[in-house]
Amino acid sequence: KQEVTQIPAALSVPEGENLVLNCSFTDSAIYNLQWFRQDPGKGLTSLLLIQSSQREQTSGRLNASLDKSSGRSTLYIAASQPGDSATYLCAQRGNDMRFGAGTRLTVKP
Amino acid sequence: NAGVMQNPRHLVRRRGQEARLRCSPMKGHSHVYWYRQLPEEGLKFMVYLQKENIIDESGMPKERFSAEFPKEGPSILRIQQVVRGDSAAYFCASSRGTANLANTGELFFGEGSRLTVL
Repeated sequence: KQEVTQIPAALSVPEGENLVLNCSFTDSAIYNLQWFRQDPGKGLTSLLLIQSSQREQTSGRLNASLDKSSGRSTLYIAASQPGDSATYLCAQRGNDMRFGAGTRLTVKP
Repeated sequence: NAGVMQNPRHLVRRRGQEARLRCSPMKGHSHVYWYRQLPEEGLKFMVYLQKENIIDESGMPKERFSAEFPKEGPSILRIQQVVRGDSAAYFCASSRGTANLANTGELFFGEGSRLTVL
């Protein structure tokens, strides 16, 4: 059964810290892995998409890595800001797309 | 180029009524996915459709829920005889095609429809 797990479920950090969000998946038949951001009451905003042939993608202060052999992806956020507070979801794209439960991030000023 | 459009954004129904949620995919996209998000939980896959065909409905409850994506018009998620447990946010996503080693099949999401059952 395809499962996507995110750790931790919630994270609170002071402004300026670098942080890592973890995502693990069980299905090796992965085409890509995508990280999303969701603000309360809103839809999903795509942050980064890593294809199965790639190892990482970067956008601004965000860096996502993918290790298919271990079934893991990490989202690294540098110099966190209060505006980064949101829920971060990872999703594994096989024949469909399966989501983790998310990490709820709070960045305190 | 408009994104994925969902309506209504908010819907209130009483127990036993019907709820219809609509999703218009991005221009050029023929693949539609529906997800349900319960409060404080992640997104759960419900159904995957292409024009006039249901490809995968493994996440759909066996009763009261149905989905369609007609040749013309938006995709519709229909919930009959709603119960309080149906209260959730329902998200639609679309893609140009499937994912494979050559194509990302990237999904684009709408803002969601929030159903409240009284």
